[in-house]
Amino acid sequence: AQSVTQLDSHVSVSEGTPVLLRCNYSSSYSPSLFWYVQHPNKGLQLLLKYTSAATLVKGINGFEAEFKKSETSFHLTKPSAHMSDAAEYFCVVTGTGTASKLTFGTGTRLQVTL
Amino acid sequence: DTGVSQDPRHKITKRGQNVTFRCDPISEHNRLYWYRQTLGQGPEFLTYFQNEAQLEKSRLLSDRFSAERPKGSFSTLEIQRTEQGDSAMYLCASSPLRSDMSYSPLHFGNGTRLTVT
Repeated sequence: AQSVTQLDSHVSVSEGTPVLLRCNYSSSYSPSLFWYVQHPNKGLQLLLKYTSAATLVKGINGFEAEFKKSETSFHLTKPSAHMSDAAEYFCVVTGTGTASKLTFGTGTRLQVTL
Repeated sequence: DTGVSQDPRHKITKRGQNVTFRCDPISEHNRLYWYRQTLGQGPEFLTYFQNEAQLEKSRLLSDRFSAERPKGSFSTLEIQRTEQGDSAMYLCASSPLRSDMSYSPLHFGNGTRLTVT
């Protein structure tokens, strides 16, 4: 079985400061990991994905994440937060087989203040 | 707009009533998924279809829940004898089936929010 743990339910940063959203994973095999973002009243949007290629993955809107097998982590970062980044972020791992079934973490709500 | 479409956006129903939701996936996508998201939680997998075949169902999908995708295009999710615990956002997603079976990102709809009173 596989799972992800998002270590913070809520993160608040000031606009222009770095963002760090933490995620640890558990998997009995080499996982594929993702970050999705959910803005209020909007559908989930894929930010970035790791599928056993480069360990540093760049996504949309300036976000990136680094896969660290030794730490079983896949933290999401951004150098400088924008007000528009305020949303719910989900760390996600794939299920078994090729069904692309996703297992979501409980989410981290990012608040960006002036 | 050629994204995943869900209808209705909101549904309020009384306990014990039946409800049905519809999902229209992106037209060329073979796979269709249903997820449920309760307040403060991440989405949880319910079931998925490849074309018209329902290939997997979560243990979360009790016998009051049924999903269909009769022609391999749109899908419906029906909940019979609704309970207050069924109140949640029901999300639909679709993805293409790649010939090399590699991962295809899921495209999510905006969801149907169900409130059972």
